Amino acid sequence: AQTVTQSQPEMSVQEAETVTLSCTYDTSESNYYLFWYKQPPSRQMILVIRQEAYKQQNATENRFSVNFQKAAKSFSLKISDSQLGDTAMYFCAFMKRASGTYKYIFGTGTRLKVLA
Amino acid sequence: DTGVSQDPRHKITKRGQNVTFRCDPISEHNRLYWYRQTLGQGPEFLTYFQNEAQLEKSRLLSDRFSAERPKGSFSTLEIQRTEQGDSAMYLCASSRDYEQYFGPGTRLTVT
Repeated sequence: AQTVTQSQPEMSVQEAETVTLSCTYDTSESNYYLFWYKQPPSRQMILVIRQEAYKQQNATENRFSVNFQKAAKSFSLKISDSQLGDTAMYFCAFMKRASGTYKYIFGTGTRLKVLA
Repeated sequence: DTGVSQDPRHKITKRGQNVTFRCDPISEHNRLYWYRQTLGQGPEFLTYFQNEAQLEKSRLLSDRFSAERPKGSFSTLEIQRTEQGDSAMYLCASSRDYEQYFGPGTRLTVT
């Protein structure tokens, strides 16, 4: 069975600095998707960035980028120029297609606090 | 596109009562998911619909839980004979492909 591990329950970063959130996963699949979701306090979860496993190039979305190491099964999120609005829970998620079903597995999350 | 909506946002019920939650997905999305999230944890998959067909149910979904998606539009999640352990946030998400869009959730408190 697939598992997703986020080993950092909480992190903090000074405003304008860079922070990296780690995520590892376990799968025997070769074709899958990886996601980082952000859940601000008392607000709904939104997608930050996604990575297709067949793509070697790391995904980037403005200040957010990933370091995808397929062989090591690692998928870290780098937030550059951190802003107060980045304060949130961040969830790493794994998705594969199985028998027509899209199965998502989420990690336990990292609570990020951006300090002024 | 008004996003995924869920109703109610909060529900307090006594143990043993039945509760029903509603999810309205983004209109063109044919896939709909229900998750349960407890404090400090990530979402746990409960069940999945493609159009009106319920294609998968988690083992977490006991016989007290049932979900429907009539006509492939909105979905309901019912919990019968609620227990204190059912207290959680219940999240709905919809998608057209692999990218899920989440609703704000329904927070259930069982007293």
